[in-house]
Amino acid sequence: EPEVTQTPSHQVTQMGQEVILRCVPISNHLYFYWYRQILGQKVEFLVSFYNNEISEKSEIFDDQFSVERPDGSNFTLKIRSTKLEDSAMYFCASNTPRGSGANVLTFGAGSRLTVL
Amino acid sequence: DAKTTQPNSMESNEEEPVHLPCNHSTISGTDYIHWYRQLPSQGPEYVIHGLTSNVNNRMASLAIAEDRKSSTLILHRATLRDAAVYYCILRNSGYALNFGKGTSLLVTP
Repeated sequence: EPEVTQTPSHQVTQMGQEVILRCVPISNHLYFYWYRQILGQKVEFLVSFYNNEISEKSEIFDDQFSVERPDGSNFTLKIRSTKLEDSAMYFCASNTPRGSGANVLTFGAGSRLTVL
Repeated sequence: DAKTTQPNSMESNEEEPVHLPCNHSTISGTDYIHWYRQLPSQGPEYVIHGLTSNVNNRMASLAIAEDRKSSTLILHRATLRDAAVYYCILRNSGYALNFGKGTSLLVTP
């Protein structure tokens, strides 16, 4: 069964450092997403991406975040200057919407970010 | 997306059926009812979705009330591996899934 793969599985960084989280979505999917989950809290939407541009973003997705599809397979989330509160699991997801509420997302296993 | 209400937690014995309820009294006619689950230390996983009719797949069944104001996810024989947080989410368009707190299912041997 096709999978969404994410790397690294765990990254530890110092506050203020830049971090790039990588995702390889399912190959025929066209929409890509990033979510985050702070420990013990709910899964929160960050951003969706289609046709090389952001289609939707939440208020969490501020100027310190950016997304990119640098080639035909990878989808990245960059955090420019990490803060302690960025420590969380980050999930990538992808799908090919059918223009209705029947859209189903496939999620990756996540990347755990720890900011010290 | 319209709001859903789920119990915070439920408990089941292994190999018994589990009925996970979801209330969505403000559902609109075009809202699909989706269920996802999140196993410990993993990403969310799609379980099932439906619009008006009951649905079955290899993982579960979805029973939708006639007025669509509530639904029930049915796991026919719970296993230890089914211990997870189960999310009931309504969608009618757009891209993002918006997760609530879900129901934490504990399965005991």
